[in-house]
Amino acid sequence: QQQVKQSPQSLIVQKGGISIINCAYENTAFDYFPWYQQFPGKGPALLIAIRPDVSEKKEGRFTISFNKSAKQFSLHIMDSQPGDSATYFCAASKGTYKYIFGTGTRLKVLA
Amino acid sequence: EAGVTQFPSHSVIEKGQTVTLRCDPISGHDNLYWYRRVMGKEIKFLLHFVKESKQDESGMPNNRFLAERTGGTYSTLKVQPAELEDSGVYFCASRPGTGNTGELFFGEGSRLTVL
Repeated sequence: QQQVKQSPQSLIVQKGGISIINCAYENTAFDYFPWYQQFPGKGPALLIAIRPDVSEKKEGRFTISFNKSAKQFSLHIMDSQPGDSATYFCAASKGTYKYIFGTGTRLKVLA
Repeated sequence: EAGVTQFPSHSVIEKGQTVTLRCDPISGHDNLYWYRRVMGKEIKFLLHFVKESKQDESGMPNNRFLAERTGGTYSTLKVQPAELEDSGVYFCASRPGTGNTGELFFGEGSRLTVL
């Protein structure tokens, strides 16, 4: 019940295309769903986050779609760029931000 | 403002040896977390400090792992004796005590290789 399942494990997208990464959770007590972006040799950095009272949040080219009834959320990267190539982690938490992370998706955007 | 800093960036030790990892959180951040990522798997929670107190250490694998945060500033994570399965990247993260959005600020990690 504490797992967050993330897919796909890896993703290759052409420049200008849409990248979509999906996550699913079991624990309905989770109330904070962030996405973290990690470049090689760096630590994860917050990209965008959502709370379950909204179904979508957009920041620039990055959008989180949240489906509370299905217990799923996804990250959409519009107009993907080579600079977006990184590993993306979804996560879920409640309260003290003891995040439960997904296994990560390695995104490569081809120039 | 300096970010979260971790030392060493990479450590290679023999099975049975001891390693101590250090984390300096962002100044003023009361909350400090340790996480670990074993290759290809999820980033897994180890423990959470609030100032110098352990708030939650439910993720610590076993008693070979000891974390401290004396004085509520920097933290150390000691592995003694190290085993092969302890290999991975250990991340430290911090966040303020109040008025924050839930964002964790991560360090670049300490990669531990146990041979």
